[in-house]
Amino acid sequence: QKEVEQNSGPLSVPEGAIASLNCTYSDRGSQSFFWYRQYSGKSPELIMSIYSNGDKEDGRFTAQLNKASQYVSLLIRDSQPSDSATYLCALGGLTGGGNKLTFGTGTQLKVEL
Amino acid sequence: DVKVTQSSRYLVKRTGEKVFLECVQDMDHENMFWYRQDPGLGLRLIYFSYDVKMKEKGDIPEGYSVSREKKERFSLILESASTNQTSMYLCASSLPYPNEQFFGPGTRLTVL
Repeated sequence: QKEVEQNSGPLSVPEGAIASLNCTYSDRGSQSFFWYRQYSGKSPELIMSIYSNGDKEDGRFTAQLNKASQYVSLLIRDSQPSDSATYLCALGGLTGGGNKLTFGTGTQLKVEL
Repeated sequence: DVKVTQSSRYLVKRTGEKVFLECVQDMDHENMFWYRQDPGLGLRLIYFSYDVKMKEKGDIPEGYSVSREKKERFSLILESASTNQTSMYLCASSLPYPNEQFFGPGTRLTVL
């Protein structure tokens, strides 16, 4: 089992809809959770960090963490074509991992007009 | 804002050449990382450093070495470039806590 699992997609949503991106992980020692957005040909950009159970909102983005069920989600409200990108889930504080992050392979999101 | 810069956006080298990729960050971060990213394989950690002159191997260190002589600068060296090292190379930096990593723009390296 991979340490971080994401559905590769593509996930297609119409403009204005809510996009829901999910990530599951295997290491219960994970302490920090991140979502990165990566446009084609560009580098990953940090968009959300979450460290405790529950929801964290920032503008149109909401990160949800459930440590008991070992998943972290990213909701994008009022999706725009400019949200079309690959979203990477990353975990920190894995057992023996030190300051490293472990990345999923990403979910491609397509927001259609 | 954290700024991480990389020496080149695009680089073309020949097999057997020694290649230097340089990364500089301006936020006094202790941690610096080198990744490569290939389609379908995601981000793979090559080397990382927690402090000046310190380095640790990541998941795929073979064929690479690194140098960190100053806190703000982390260099990746391909001792003898090979075609299977054609890839996007990404540098990142972070504080020990929170360990949010911030990436540079990347260097797309092609080895012919």
